[in-house]
Amino acid sequence: NAGVTQTPKFRVLKTGQSMTLLCAQDMNHEYMYWYRQDPGMGLRLIHYSVGEGTTAKGEVPDGYNVSRLKKQNFLLGLESAAPSQTSVYFCASSYTDPWANVLTFGAGSRLTVL
Amino acid sequence: AQKVTQAQTEISVVEKEDVTLDCVYETRDTTYYLFWYKQPPSGELVFLIRRNSFDEQNEISGRYSWNFQKSTSSFNFTITASQVVDSAVYFCALSEAGAGGTSYGKLTFGQGTILTVHP
Repeated sequence: NAGVTQTPKFRVLKTGQSMTLLCAQDMNHEYMYWYRQDPGMGLRLIHYSVGEGTTAKGEVPDGYNVSRLKKQNFLLGLESAAPSQTSVYFCASSYTDPWANVLTFGAGSRLTVL
Repeated sequence: AQKVTQAQTEISVVEKEDVTLDCVYETRDTTYYLFWYKQPPSGELVFLIRRNSFDEQNEISGRYSWNFQKSTSSFNFTITASQVVDSAVYFCALSEAGAGGTSYGKLTFGQGTILTVHP
């Protein structure tokens, strides 16, 4: 099993450009999450989804949009990238254990916005 | 609101030393889970342990041990006889039951502790 796969792994954008990060999982997990990791701040939740067709805001949702059209995929979009969105982005997924989940993480996507 | 604090930003030890990583959490829930994840230099996040709020038993797994104390809201992680391969960033995280009895598994992470083990 591949687990959680994120594409692309690296991307450089100019301010104002748009892009989409793709997360795919093959474990039939219901829950999926997007986190960003910044130095000294740990990981912070951007958006999450509790099932196909659902999305919800996390701690730092501004400037991002998400979609979960298929159960196995969770897309993170930046409509107009800003330097403050330079970060490492992690996708994760888990089963529907309501609050005791062990998250499986992808390898991360490093985004630089110039 | 929930909060996780890892006050140690960086720790540097020499191989075979014991090292303890501190984690202090804040929550209003009586039902919650605590986690430790490891992030080696390769960058992926690896699950290490999960502990629920009703189980204060300490746990040992090989060279790793965890001390959970509700009285001090702490969930500390000790590596005995550290090795170079233990060099990584370690994250403590919290998941609450939340309003309605579920937080949908959302984790609140601490800032992380960078552990460097020198040969």
